[in-house]
Amino acid sequence: DVKVTQSSRYLVKRTGEKVFLECVQDMDHENMFWYRQDPGLGLRLIYFSYDVKMKEKGDIPEGYSVSREKKERFSLILESASTNQTSMYLCASRKTGRDTIYFGEGSWLTVV
Amino acid sequence: SQQGEEDPQALSIQEGENATMNCSYKTSINNLQWYRQNSGRGLVHLILIRSNEREKHSGRLRVTLDTSKKSSSLLITASRAADTASYFCATERGSNYKLTFGKGTLLTVNP
Repeated sequence: DVKVTQSSRYLVKRTGEKVFLECVQDMDHENMFWYRQDPGLGLRLIYFSYDVKMKEKGDIPEGYSVSREKKERFSLILESASTNQTSMYLCASRKTGRDTIYFGEGSWLTVV
Repeated sequence: SQQGEEDPQALSIQEGENATMNCSYKTSINNLQWYRQNSGRGLVHLILIRSNEREKHSGRLRVTLDTSKKSSSLLITASRAADTASYFCATERGSNYKLTFGKGTLLTVNP
């Protein structure tokens, strides 16, 4: 089974802190994604990566950056966390040429 | 930008009944997928239908796609309490492997 692991399930951070959300997949997938999910808004794509060191902006990249130094790991970085970034963050991965996207269990981030 | 929009936003039925959820989208697509999310968890892929297909079945799931109306429906037959979850449609356009999700339908199946 494909496994997408998000290292932190629940985080509470202070406004202005730098926050790292880590995601690791174990199936050699080329493509990895970060979404955020908010009530009434569904899932919105923040960034995605189709290869090591490659990244593309999604629909809502402002306030976020990403890092993909190794194929299996995709990190989401909040340079200076703000309260409007309180949300559930979902990492996902997908093999090139395949249809299914696999999700991690999500990271609940609260910024106070 | 939201591509898919599910309807209804919430649906409450009794066990054994059928549940139908709809999804509308705005532009041409390669395929449309349905995902399920249990409360507070990640999403799980259910079924995919390609743009040249009209209907697909998987167990108790039946998906239809009408590209002329830019809409899809997901039917869950003989629902169970364990089917209680949020259901999302997601569309794929082009070749960049991105999926665009709708806002979801919250299905509650009462025992």
